Amino acid sequence: AQSVAQPEDQVNVAEGNPLTVKCTYSVSGNPYLFWYVQYPNRGLQFLLKYITGDNLVKGSYGFEAEFNKSQTSFHLKKPSALVSDSALYFCAVREGISGGYNKLIFGAGTRLAVHP
Amino acid sequence: NAGVTQTPKFRVLKTGQSMTLLCAQDMNHEYMYWYRQDPGMGLRLIHYSVGEGTTAKGEVPDGYNVSRLKKQNFLLGLESAAPSQTSVYFCASSYISSNTGELFFGEGSRLTVL
Repeated sequence: AQSVAQPEDQVNVAEGNPLTVKCTYSVSGNPYLFWYVQYPNRGLQFLLKYITGDNLVKGSYGFEAEFNKSQTSFHLKKPSALVSDSALYFCAVREGISGGYNKLIFGAGTRLAVHP
Repeated sequence: NAGVTQTPKFRVLKTGQSMTLLCAQDMNHEYMYWYRQDPGMGLRLIHYSVGEGTTAKGEVPDGYNVSRLKKQNFLLGLESAAPSQTSVYFCASSYISSNTGELFFGEGSRLTVL
């Protein structure tokens, strides 16, 4: 069965410093990987995805993520954090099988706190 | 462009009462989903629909029912609410493509069962 783990409940970083939010996954086939962000009292918003190709994918708001097949990881990164990046971040995985059903399995979420 | 709209946004129920959450999307998406979000547990899929007139169970379907009579609407019902159903409920929708997986979410409905 597919699963995704976010080992950190919270990540604290100073504004201007680089940030990393960790995600590891488990699927039996090729993974489709996603990051979503949730701001307070809002729904989740799509940030970026990895389907195939370049292991480094770029997304919204300056975020990027690196797919590492050998480590089964898909860590979210940003070179310079902003206070406005403070939010709840979810990693999600979908098994890359054929068919149109887009069932995603979400991690528990990591709260990012960026301090001025 | 409204996207995905959920009503109501807040509701307080007593144990045993029933209620329906309404989700409406204006993006002509085929797929719609209901998730619940609980602290430390992320999002868990309750039910989903791959098209008008079809529904299927997700990870945590017990105690909930759904209907998709119109393509743009996906209703989540609680027939007899229990305190364990206190949660934030999110509706989402997506295109039919198997390659994107991008979901569009509503802003959530906070339900408290006393």
